[in-house]
Amino acid sequence: DVKVTQSSRYLVKRTGEKVFLECVQDMDHENMFWYRQDPGLGLRLIYFSYDVKMKEKGDIPEGYSVSREKKERFSLILESASTNQTSMYLCASSLYAQGAAGYTFGSGTRLTVV
Amino acid sequence: QQQVKQSPQSLIVQKGGISIINCAYENTAFDYFPWYQQFPGKGPALLIAIRPDVSEKKEGRFTISFNKSAKQFSLHIMDSQPGDSATYFCAGYYTGGFKTIFGAGTRLFVKA
Repeated sequence: DVKVTQSSRYLVKRTGEKVFLECVQDMDHENMFWYRQDPGLGLRLIYFSYDVKMKEKGDIPEGYSVSREKKERFSLILESASTNQTSMYLCASSLYAQGAAGYTFGSGTRLTVV
Repeated sequence: QQQVKQSPQSLIVQKGGISIINCAYENTAFDYFPWYQQFPGKGPALLIAIRPDVSEKKEGRFTISFNKSAKQFSLHIMDSQPGDSATYFCAGYYTGGFKTIFGAGTRLFVKA
C-alpha cells in the first residue's frame, strides 16, 4: 500500500523555536505538498515541490520554509514558531502536477506552539 | 477568484438517509473536482472526482452531481451509514494553475 509518512503525530514547541516537520513518501511521486488544516478554513497550501530542490510558495508561505534534498522527502520548517502556527499540518504527494490525479495525504502532525 | 465555497459546515443524518453536501466555485478554468473524505486522526483520502464535461458520476453509494452553468456541484451519500461519519472536502483544480483549492469542509455525523 502506498504511503505518505509524517514523522510525528503530535508536537509541542515553544514560541521562537525552530521546528522541523518531516514527510516521506514511498510512491516515487514527483510532487509533494504541505498544507495546514484549521477548522472552518479547510486546507490551505503552504508550499509545494515538483522536483528535487525545487519549491514553490503556496497561499500562506509566510513564516515557513521547505527543503527537498531527496525525491522521497519533503520537510517543512518553521523558522521561529509562533502561537498562530498552532495547527494540523498535512503532507501530500501526487503523481501528476498539483493533484490532477488526486493527492495521497499523510496522517498529519498536530503542532501546538506554547 | 479561486474560492470553493462548501456548505453546510456540519450535517447530522439518520442511518439510511441521504447526505447532501454542496459546493460552489467561481473559477471556470477548474477542470477537475475531487472530493476527499477524512476520518479522525487520518489524512484526507480521495473519495470520488468528476470532470466538468460530465453531469453525474456514481461510485457505489456516492454520487457527484455537477451543474456547470450554475458553477455548483454536490456530493450525495445514499443509504448513509455510521461508518460514513467523517469530514468531507470538495475541491477544484485546474491544470494551468497548478493548484487544488479546497472547500472549508463538512463534518458529517450519521446517527445509528
